[in-house]
Amino acid sequence: GAVVSQHPSWVICKSGTSVKIECRSLDFQATTMFWYRQFPKQSLMLMATSNEGSKATYEQGVEKDKFLINHASLTLSTLTVTSAHPEDSSFYICSASSSGRAQDTQYFGPGTRLTVL
Amino acid sequence: GQQLNQSPQSMFIQEGEDVSMNCTSSSIFNTWLWYKQDPGEGPVLLIALYKAGELTSNGRLTAQFGITRKDSFLNISASIPSDVGIYFCAGLGVQGAQKLVFGQGTRLTINP
Repeated sequence: GAVVSQHPSWVICKSGTSVKIECRSLDFQATTMFWYRQFPKQSLMLMATSNEGSKATYEQGVEKDKFLINHASLTLSTLTVTSAHPEDSSFYICSASSSGRAQDTQYFGPGTRLTVL
Repeated sequence: GQQLNQSPQSMFIQEGEDVSMNCTSSSIFNTWLWYKQDPGEGPVLLIALYKAGELTSNGRLTAQFGITRKDSFLNISASIPSDVGIYFCAGLGVQGAQKLVFGQGTRLTINP
């Protein structure tokens, strides 16, 4: 199946700093990438949808100026958590889809555990 | 917004037993997906269902797309220790079709 990687797998940062998380599709071109957040013992919540070369679409309640998303190529999307605070601590997971069609399956990365002190 | 109700929330079974879990929605979905998530990992796709009434198997796993397009179930036969994890259903709806809606998850624990 399709392979999606994330880097780093975990990160610890101080409050007020910014953290960048990378999501890469390794063996296919991802027209669309999705960013999710998952709190302990909860389900995945979609944060934003990014299409290559265009601005990301954010879900209601997600601050676009705090969670900066860049999808500059068909294999790479980045999520930057700016001015991180302890409440931003979570498991961030990306997924990638090879086209914009509804039926295309999303393949998930292994996730990035962010801890803000 | 669209929501999926997944049940049961948790299951405690003996190795070798069969498992059944389901998801229901008040909205119609065009695609149903079942994922398994291990601790500290991202979800891994198990089965994808694209047509109402479709019944699909993947080894010991069987899933069906409900005929009303508002529900789906996943069965695991003859459970083994590596089946332990959290299982999520997810749906792609009619509106905003690219956006996956996830169920709350079913945590499966297998007693040796």
